[in-house]
Amino acid sequence: EDKVVQSPLSLVVHEGDTVTLNCSYEVTNFRSLLWYKQEKKAPTFLFMLTSSGIEKKSGRLSSILDKKELFSILNITATQTGDSAVYLCAAGANAGGTSYGKLTFGQGTILTVHP
Amino acid sequence: DADVTQTPRNRITKTGKRIMLECSQTKGHDRMYWYRQDPGLGLRLIYYSFDVKDINKGEISDGYSVSRQAQAKFSLSLESAIPNQTALYFCATSDLGDRRINEQFFGPGTRLTVL
Repeated sequence: EDKVVQSPLSLVVHEGDTVTLNCSYEVTNFRSLLWYKQEKKAPTFLFMLTSSGIEKKSGRLSSILDKKELFSILNITATQTGDSAVYLCAAGANAGGTSYGKLTFGQGTILTVHP
Repeated sequence: DADVTQTPRNRITKTGKRIMLECSQTKGHDRMYWYRQDPGLGLRLIYYSFDVKDINKGEISDGYSVSRQAQAKFSLSLESAIPNQTALYFCATSDLGDRRINEQFFGPGTRLTVL
């Protein structure tokens, strides 16, 4: 059974801190690892990584995928109160895997940034 | 205008009632999904559909049914609602193209409460 586990489950920091969110996965015929941000309702797409060692950057957010060790991290530098959200990690599979065309989600990490 | 819409946005119902949640999309995507979200459990897949003639069960399909009326419409039904179906429900879509198959776009969610 495909599985995605995130840690920590919750995190409280102050503005300006740097945070690292972790995601480990076990997915047959792994294809891609996605990060979503969920503030009040719908998850919004942040990154999709398919190749190991590739670091994606978008402003203060960056993410790395390690396909050998089966994990990804999401880094947020100089955090702001607007970064407070649930961060969801998800993994998808290639054709032939049981999760082809589907995403397996982790439990999410609740990030709270205080002023 | 939102690309993926869900109706209703909030619903309170009683045990035993039949409920239908509707999802429409203007993204032109072939693949559509229904998820439920419970605190601490991330997003769990209920049903998914790769085209109008294709319906597949997800990990938690018991107690639910779906109908894909058209490429743009995918509805979720609870034939006889029970309290543990109280949750936040999301519809999502993804492109038919293999390259972006795992990138899913979410609707705003429906908060369902079963008393």
